Amino acid sequence: EIVLTQSPTTMTASPGEKVTITCRASSSVSYMHWYQQKPGASPKPWIYETSKLASGVPDRFSGSGSGTSYSLTINNMEAEDAATYYCQQWNYPYTFGAGTKLELK
Amino acid sequence: EVQLVESGGGLVQPGRSLKLSCVASGFTFSNYGMNWIRQAPGKGLEWVAYISSGSSYIYYAETVKGRFTISRDNAKNTLYLQMTSLRSEDTALYYCARRVNTGYFDYWGQGVMVTVSS
Repeated sequence: EIVLTQSPTTMTASPGEKVTITCRASSSVSYMHWYQQKPGASPKPWIYETSKLASGVPDRFSGSGSGTSYSLTINNMEAEDAATYYCQQWNYPYTFGAGTKLELK
Repeated sequence: EVQLVESGGGLVQPGRSLKLSCVASGFTFSNYGMNWIRQAPGKGLEWVAYISSGSSYIYYAETVKGRFTISRDNAKNTLYLQMTSLRSEDTALYYCARRVNTGYFDYWGQGVMVTVSS
């Protein structure tokens, strides 16, 4: 099983700040997917195949990485970006990172 | 519009069984692999099971293997999860999710709560 380690676990960011969330895999993977979840809501697809934005995702978001190291970046943090973000790898068994809770400062 | 609507959750005693359903609409259900993913209260996401479009391939997480059975009825556009020998650690919100080719879950239901408690 591939273990995904996200960092940081929690963070706060001010409006306009640049945010980077990292996801490290215990073994090399070809792709990383990301989901956004707000309290009381289902996870939303956010970034797929490492760097492709899901429909409706603002272009201040970006994804990058390869091998065992991947990241999600927000340029110019906005209030609506406060949420928990999960990474997910596509080898069986599918696994998710533990999540990064991003709060607005 | 793609919709996934789960049902069948509830309060169940340890050791008992429960069957979840997920009705799909807005897409050709028989063309997609489907999954169950769960989230314990206040915790992260855990993938539970996958079934391919024609039911030829089925995979389970180790935590549920031998106790849960995923199935589907393409004529009814419905995904199922039969859960037996339930444990307190199975308490969670259960989501059904559509999977695309690169293992990405592109649509999720609203979730159904399963509580295992005496």
